[in-house]
Amino acid sequence: ELKVEQNPLFLSMQEGKNYTIYCNYSTTSDRLYWYRQDPGKSLESLFVLLSNGAVKQEGRLMASLDTKARLSTLHITAAVHDLSATYFCAPRAAGNKLTFGGGTRVLVKP
Amino acid sequence: DVKVTQSSRYLVKRTGEKVFLECVQDMDHENMFWYRQDPGLGLRLIYFSYDVKMKEKGDIPEGYSVSREKKERFSLILESASTNQTSMYLCASSSGIGVSPLHFGNGTRLTVT
Repeated sequence: ELKVEQNPLFLSMQEGKNYTIYCNYSTTSDRLYWYRQDPGKSLESLFVLLSNGAVKQEGRLMASLDTKARLSTLHITAAVHDLSATYFCAPRAAGNKLTFGGGTRVLVKP
Repeated sequence: DVKVTQSSRYLVKRTGEKVFLECVQDMDHENMFWYRQDPGLGLRLIYFSYDVKMKEKGDIPEGYSVSREKKERFSLILESASTNQTSMYLCASSSGIGVSPLHFGNGTRLTVT
């Protein structure tokens, strides 16, 4: 059974600084998704990472995947208030199922 | 744009009631999923379906059942609601083609009293 651990669970950020969210998973997976959820809203897909060493970037967010270490990171560059949300990683398990991490709640303070 | 619509945003039910949560998607997606979301636990998969009349158990199916009579509609059924089923329920769909992500509905917050 695929288990997913995200850390930290909560991240208080200062505007303008850089931060990283970590996603560790327990068994082999062929792809990993990152999602964002704003308070009271549903989940929005950010990235899909398909192979070892894959890197995707969109604005101030950059996601990477190390399949050998079973680790994905979401790096936030020069945090801004608009990035306040909860971020989830979700590697794909057998049978086309996504297993979600517990989420990292991000709060960016001025 | 894919739209996944969940019929209720908020529901309050009593212990022992039979509860139906409805989900409809408009993109002809093959795959549909039901998750529940609880603080600190992320999303946990209850049931999913790859085709009409087909269903598969997820990680926490106990106390739930599902129905998929039409491709666009996937229903989650709580046979006899209990207080530990108080949660946010999220429906999602995907095409299953390539790397298409899950598209989520806005969720139904169910309270069982």
